[in-house]
Amino acid sequence: NAGVTQTPKFQVLKTGQSMTLQCAQDMNHEYMSWYRQDPGMGLRLIHYSVGAGITDQGEVPNGYNVSRSTTEDFPLRLLSAAPSQTSVYFCASKSRGELFFGEGSRLTVL
Amino acid sequence: KQEVTQIPAALSVPEGENLVLNCSFTDSAIYNLQWFRQDPGKGLTSLLLIQSSQREQTSGRLNASLDKSSGRSTLYIAASQPGDSATYLCAVDRGSTLGRLYFGRGTQLTVWP
Repeated sequence: NAGVTQTPKFQVLKTGQSMTLQCAQDMNHEYMSWYRQDPGMGLRLIHYSVGAGITDQGEVPNGYNVSRSTTEDFPLRLLSAAPSQTSVYFCASKSRGELFFGEGSRLTVL
Repeated sequence: KQEVTQIPAALSVPEGENLVLNCSFTDSAIYNLQWFRQDPGKGLTSLLLIQSSQREQTSGRLNASLDKSSGRSTLYIAASQPGDSATYLCAVDRGSTLGRLYFGRGTQLTVWP
């Protein structure tokens, strides 16, 4: 049972480039979410999904897109990366109120 | 807006001490409270979940209590060990599927031998 798996673990982008952070879970959880963690800011919710085909914005959605075509996968897309998006990104799924996190993806935008 | 505060921000103790980490929240209309551990460069690991009908949870040397009326939770760690060194975060939510979690900024714990 792998839990929540995120790829890549590390990524360096140039300003304006696009990329997708992948997230997959094998626990059949309906709820999935993306957070970013920044020093002094704590964890902030970017987008979340309550099931396949349903997504919604969190606290800091600007500059990010998501989709949920299957229960297992919840990719996060950066359309045009900016230095302000340098952060550590965490994917999490939730069941019965308990949140389970992936190991994180560390993104640097130059 | 829900605000979650964790005190102290950092704590350094010798091995073997019993210690208490504090978490307070401004809106008492919460449903679940969850404590996490985060090691450097790693994701968050769930330690304890206190659901709406519960007032405390225990797992091994860890005990977490919740007092909604006062807006407080405490995480008690008994007989601390160097392996307990990590950042501990608490988070609260309103319990609905659509509900987001509100996180504190964590307490960085160092247990020295």
